[in-house]
Amino acid sequence: GQNIDQPTEMTATEGAIVQINCTYQTSGFNGLFWYQQHAGEAPTFLSYNVLDGLEEKGRFSSFLSRSKGYSYLLLKELQMKDSASYLCAVMDSNYQLIWGAGTKLIIKP
Amino acid sequence: IAGITQAPTSQILAAGRRMTLRCTQDMRHNAMYWYRQDLGLGLRLIHYSNTAGTTGKGEVPDGYSVSRANTDDFPLTLASAVPSQTSVYFCASSDSEGGGYGYTFGSGTRLTVV
Repeated sequence: GQNIDQPTEMTATEGAIVQINCTYQTSGFNGLFWYQQHAGEAPTFLSYNVLDGLEEKGRFSSFLSRSKGYSYLLLKELQMKDSASYLCAVMDSNYQLIWGAGTKLIIKP
Repeated sequence: IAGITQAPTSQILAAGRRMTLRCTQDMRHNAMYWYRQDLGLGLRLIHYSNTAGTTGKGEVPDGYSVSRANTDDFPLTLASAVPSQTSVYFCASSDSEGGGYGYTFGSGTRLTVV
């Protein structure tokens, strides 16, 4: 079967750095996505990785290792507004997105 | 309209009633999707459409139907609602089958079936 695993919840301190991990097993691979979802709102696109390595976008970076079926989202200089759920999703061989259950990130002052 | 519009925002529905959730996009995206999101389960695909005139079943299609008469509209119908269909429903679109540029989501419909 297809499976995306990510931690259920993480806590970090304002100004710090946090890494959210995602491991996957899917039938085929056509890219990995990270989305941010604030409570009661729709998911919004953060990043897309299709090749191995690190993609940096301001305070957010996403890393992919296809051979290990592994990705992480790195958030630097955490702000209170970063409190949200972070969703990892993999596009399989049929170009369907398979979603993880999300990681709820709690930022403390 | 900018992006994807879903209606209604929320609804309380009696079991056994028929209901259509509306979804309209103005980005001329080819592909559209319906997801349900339940606590602890993440997003699950109900139905999708890669282009106007075609639809396909996702992971949890039972009890739901869709149509795609044109590019912009992708309504989701619950023929006879049951309490297990209580959920938050998101419509999404992408500009290609691959969706390499990400999906755009509507703001969601919170449905409670009683």
